[in-house]
Amino acid sequence: SYVLTQPPSVSVAPGQTARITCGGNNIGSKSVHWYQQKPGQAPVLVVYDDSDRPSGIPERFSGSNSGNTATLTISRVEAGDEADYYCQVWDSSSASSVVFGGGTKLTVL
Amino acid sequence: EVQLVQSGAEVKKPGESLKISCKGSGYSFTSYWIGWVRQMPGKGLEWMGIIYPGDSDTRYSPSFQGQVTISADKSISTAYLQWSSLKASDTAMYYCVRPLGDGYTYYFDYWGQGTLVTVSS
Repeated sequence: SYVLTQPPSVSVAPGQTARITCGGNNIGSKSVHWYQQKPGQAPVLVVYDDSDRPSGIPERFSGSNSGNTATLTISRVEAGDEADYYCQVWDSSSASSVVFGGGTKLTVL
Repeated sequence: EVQLVQSGAEVKKPGESLKISCKGSGYSFTSYWIGWVRQMPGKGLEWMGIIYPGDSDTRYSPSFQGQVTISADKSISTAYLQWSSLKASDTAMYYCVRPLGDGYTYYFDYWGQGTLVTVSS
């Protein structure tokens, strides 16, 4: 089955840029989606189809995808961005179809 | 406004049965799939399965096949997740989600607020 690998944690100072990676075999051939989950809350979609943002999501959130790595980039990080972030793909060749990464805890220093 | 509203938290004993619900509103319930996602305490997101309320076509992740039953009642725009015999390891938060996509990929644009299921003797 298809596996997505994320770093367990990323730390960044306020105002800096955070980059959260999601690795997978030839992930560049798939569409990658990203979710933000704050403590005690349901996840929220922040990027879909590699780089599109739902309405209401700040432009500071952007995504890219190429080769074996997809990246969620958060510019001008704020304290309110501290959360867990999950990548997700739809893999029709997997019995499960939906695959989530293990999640990355973003800490704002 | 699209909403997925889930039933409240449950505390059950091992071996008991349970059915939790997810009511959709603000969109055509029979035209979109509804899925379920598990999140065990302190852990990540796990895909459980999906149902198309229009014709009850249901698909399960292999990890959950035979462990749970997903169903829907389109007359009341509600999807269900049920267990016949709960285990302590079923303790988790369960989210219903609405997948959106084009057949090539799907993502979850709406999530329910979650239902916390606690199984303890």
